[in-house]
Amino acid sequence: DSGVTQTPKHLITATGQRVTLRCSPRSGDLSVYWYQQSLDQGLQFLIQYYNGEERAKGNILERFSAQQFPDLHSELNLSSLELGDSALYFCASGQGAGETQYFGPGTRLLVL
Amino acid sequence: QKEVEQDPGPLSVPEGAIVSLNCTYSNSAFQYFMWYRQYSRKGPELLMYTYSSGNKEDGRFTAQVDKSSKYISLFIRDSQPSDSATYLCAVNRGLYSGGYNKLIFGAGTRLAVHP
Repeated sequence: DSGVTQTPKHLITATGQRVTLRCSPRSGDLSVYWYQQSLDQGLQFLIQYYNGEERAKGNILERFSAQQFPDLHSELNLSSLELGDSALYFCASGQGAGETQYFGPGTRLLVL
Repeated sequence: QKEVEQDPGPLSVPEGAIVSLNCTYSNSAFQYFMWYRQYSRKGPELLMYTYSSGNKEDGRFTAQVDKSSKYISLFIRDSQPSDSATYLCAVNRGLYSGGYNKLIFGAGTRLAVHP
């Protein structure tokens, strides 16, 4: 157990809908990272938050957004969902120095 | 060209074999090198972390980094069926790159250790 929690574990929804994925980092970690893992793209970095502030953006679509709250948990919002958004979404946390990140169990999203 | 290249396998070995997993990377700015293990439908689990060049050993696992050739390796000794998983290498520029700390992953190598 990495200490990073993610909810829900599974999510099934329809195209055009909006969903919210939640992540709680390990105790003491200030940084939260979001990744998407699909069969054809592998693990792709989406966005990083550090102590409530956006620190870096990767290949995140404009339909996707995230935030980190004062208690350091983070939410990833996915809107206007498309079939191609079906993937595993992982949250990772770390101290923010970048050298190690610990991953949560992931949320499996299926868009029908 | 991808920033990190990793042969996706699959790699099938008998129990007890020594396994060698490898990645190459393109940018000499990378300072941190990691190996993650991912079981099917689970989150990646950090196995080994190395800063700069050199070797690091942890039980049956040894990580090697050769920055001169931009080559990273993971060796598994006395492999067990429980080692069957996908192994992902990852690189990172580190803190002093403007705080941009994303991990860049290889595609992952699927390993099967059969009894």
